[in-house]
Amino acid sequence: GAGVSQSPSNKVTEKGKDVELRCDPISGHTALYWYRQSLGQGLEFLIYFQGNSAPDKSGLPSDRFSAERTGGSVSTLTIQRTQQEDSAVYLCASSFPSGGADTGELFFGEGSRLTVL
Amino acid sequence: QQQVKQSPQSLIVQKGGISIINCAYENTAFDYFPWYQQFPGKGPALLIAIRPDVSEKKEGRFTISFNKSAKQFSLHIMDSQPGDSATYFCAARRTGANNLFFGTGTRLTVIP
Repeated sequence: GAGVSQSPSNKVTEKGKDVELRCDPISGHTALYWYRQSLGQGLEFLIYFQGNSAPDKSGLPSDRFSAERTGGSVSTLTIQRTQQEDSAVYLCASSFPSGGADTGELFFGEGSRLTVL
Repeated sequence: QQQVKQSPQSLIVQKGGISIINCAYENTAFDYFPWYQQFPGKGPALLIAIRPDVSEKKEGRFTISFNKSAKQFSLHIMDSQPGDSATYFCAARRTGANNLFFGTGTRLTVIP
């Protein structure tokens, strides 16, 4: 597709279960980002992948959160032992790396809404 | 710790009026300041952006004003329309970095 694709669009799970959220970035974009959007909290940076470099994991809130990016394309965000406070919309974005005239504009998917009961 | 502080949280403006959203930052290493617009059920999309070497950038009805000494920047929407009703996020990026730090968002409602 032409845009960033995320799945599932909605996920309801029980506290303590593990969930996986998938992101398929725009073809050719080497940078991929995960953000979390909670009510009143804005967009919280989670993790960033750039090409074959080690990911920037500085935004992951706990060791229950992890992400991987296979083959420089599709990424999976995994949340283990989900808690109610993990309920949020998880947004994925991709971009060309910024530099020179390229602003590194982020293109976002529509998000995966996670509800933990 | 919120790297970019945004206000107000919500804003109601009459059609044809001016909408103003403000943001402030502390990190002087930030060198790129975009605004993103998000409609319900959609991901944010880039609206307009500015670098600190200019004090103002205008694109159509949207203007960013930038005050480097005060470390503040704002979005002005002239002749606001109901179709502008959305959530607006300011953001900032450090020199040499790629990830953006976003504000907490402003929900704008333009009433006819």
